[in-house]
Amino acid sequence: NAGVTQTPKFQVLKTGQSMTLQCAQDMNHEYMSWYRQDPGMGLRLIHYSVGAGITDQGEVPNGYNVSRSTTEDFPLRLLSAAPSQTSVYFCASRFGTDEQYFGPGTRLTVT
Amino acid sequence: QQPVQSPQAVILREGEDAVINCSSSKALYSVHWYRQKHGEAPVFLMILLKGGEQKGHEKISASFNEKKQQSSLYLTASQLSYSGTYFCGTEALRGNNDMRFGAGTRLTVKP
Repeated sequence: NAGVTQTPKFQVLKTGQSMTLQCAQDMNHEYMSWYRQDPGMGLRLIHYSVGAGITDQGEVPNGYNVSRSTTEDFPLRLLSAAPSQTSVYFCASRFGTDEQYFGPGTRLTVT
Repeated sequence: QQPVQSPQAVILREGEDAVINCSSSKALYSVHWYRQKHGEAPVFLMILLKGGEQKGHEKISASFNEKKQQSSLYLTASQLSYSGTYFCGTEALRGNNDMRFGAGTRLTVKP
């Protein structure tokens, strides 16, 4: 099993550009989530899902969209990048109420 | 809605013990503990559920006071490998995947 994979690992965007961060898992987990982590800070929940077709907003959803068309994939879309979105983005998946499995992260810089 | 962790930072010598605390203003269903090394993704340590069920690594111990909505992580006989940032994640409800994390506790273990 590859676990949770994220692409790209690094990305630099200019203000106003859009992009999609990819997240995939091969563990057949129903639950998936996106978090952002600013330097020296904790993890903040952006969006989460409990299954294909079901998504909800976390604590910092503004500027981000998600969709969940399959169990395996949970892409995060930045609509119009802003410097405040410079961060490390982690995708996570889990089976029910079990532990979260985190992907390796995407390091995003917006200039 | 984010849990509050204390202390913010701890410095130990090898072999010493530490306690990291996590508290919430909301009634909780579960508390999760994760450790993150610099530049890496968080790694699961322990889950504590309402009702007393626990799941985690053998060398890690923790408690969950359901009345006070507080959890503590106990690190005994610390090793150099225990260094990192420890995060608690909390869920108020079972089954909706809305997990919020504290700001973290940075633990440094010195020889």
